[in-house]
Amino acid sequence: QKEVEQDPGPLSVPEGAIVSLNCTYSNSAFQYFMWYRQYSRKGPELLMYTYSSGNKEDGRFTAQVDKSSKYISLFIRDSQPSDSATYLCAMSTGNQFYFGTGTSLTVIP
Amino acid sequence: EPEVTQTPSHQVTQMGQEVILRCVPISNHLYFYWYRQILGQKVEFLVSFYNNEISEKSEIFDDQFSVERPDGSNFTLKIRSTKLEDSAMYFCASSESRPGAANYEQYFGPGTRLTVT
Repeated sequence: QKEVEQDPGPLSVPEGAIVSLNCTYSNSAFQYFMWYRQYSRKGPELLMYTYSSGNKEDGRFTAQVDKSSKYISLFIRDSQPSDSATYLCAMSTGNQFYFGTGTSLTVIP
Repeated sequence: EPEVTQTPSHQVTQMGQEVILRCVPISNHLYFYWYRQILGQKVEFLVSFYNNEISEKSEIFDDQFSVERPDGSNFTLKIRSTKLEDSAMYFCASSESRPGAANYEQYFGPGTRLTVT
């Protein structure tokens, strides 16, 4: 059983749309949840970090964690062409880190 | 803006050879990490390093891998005898604190593409 499941997409949306990205996990020991953005041939860039159930907002980005359902989401409001990238969810027990496969997002002008 | 740097950007080596991948973490960071990403696959955690010792390592990080902080700025990953399946992008990362801290943030370098022939 995979530790972290993420739909690889690809996902294509028009500019201005709300984007919803999701991951599920199986390990109850995960305490910390992260979303990264990765542009082609670059290292991942941390977008959001949270360690509790509920919502966390930062600008156009909202991270949502539901520990009871083992489900995390990232919402992007008013999506822009510059948001086109691969989005990786990641989870940690505090010691080890587990990444999803990434969802490829294209925002069409 | 401070950044993690990695050298070389691309390393080609023959099977069985030793390689050393180099990283310069952000200067005030205390926690260091190596990850790898095989082409088309997910990012995989290899090892974390704090206070001059390994804090945690994954199953991938077997005896052929080692890490070192030889001086106050560099952090290296050595692969003793490379195999074809070691071909991947290797990312170094650093953080000022560990997960759990309110200000936790892990910064990744641009990666070193390792090709084993």
